[in-house]
Amino acid sequence: GQNIDQPTEMTATEGAIVQINCTYQTSGFNGLFWYQQHAGEAPTFLSYNVLDGLEEKGRFSSFLSRSKGYSYLLLKELQMKDSASYLCAVTGSNYQLIWGAGTKLIIKP
Amino acid sequence: IAGITQAPTSQILAAGRRMTLRCTQDMRHNAMYWYRQDLGLGLRLIHYSNTAGTTGKGEVPDGYSVSRANTDDFPLTLASAVPSQTSVYFCASSGLAGEGNEQFFGPGTRLTVL
Repeated sequence: GQNIDQPTEMTATEGAIVQINCTYQTSGFNGLFWYQQHAGEAPTFLSYNVLDGLEEKGRFSSFLSRSKGYSYLLLKELQMKDSASYLCAVTGSNYQLIWGAGTKLIIKP
Repeated sequence: IAGITQAPTSQILAAGRRMTLRCTQDMRHNAMYWYRQDLGLGLRLIHYSNTAGTTGKGEVPDGYSVSRANTDDFPLTLASAVPSQTSVYFCASSGLAGEGNEQFFGPGTRLTVL
């Protein structure tokens, strides 16, 4: 079967760093996406990894290990506006995205 | 139009009624998708279209149909709505699937079937 696991909810403090993990088991792998979704809104693209390693984009970084079926999203210098759900999605063998249930991130002052 | 739009924003529908959710994009994207999002579950693909004139079934296609007569429009039809189809529906589009192209999402349609 195909499965993507992420923690359901995480809490962090404004100004701190948080790491959101994603593990996957899929039939085929053609890349991994991270999206951000604020409550009541549509998902928006954050990052894409297809090769092993770290991709950095401002305060956000994403890491991939294909051999371990593992990725994480690292958010630095947390701001209140970062309170949202973070969705991990894997491109499977048919090139369609398989989505995790998302991690709700709560930022406290 | 800027990006991808959906209509209606929300709808309450009696069970057994027919309903079409509309989706239009102006980015000339080849691929379009329909997802449903339910609390505690990830986005689930209903149907997709890799290019105008072609469609494919996703993870949860039963009870839904789509058409792709042109590049811009990708309507989703519920032939006879049932309460289990109560959900938030997102339409998305992207460049060619499988090439790392990000998907752009519409604002969503919140559908309640009573």
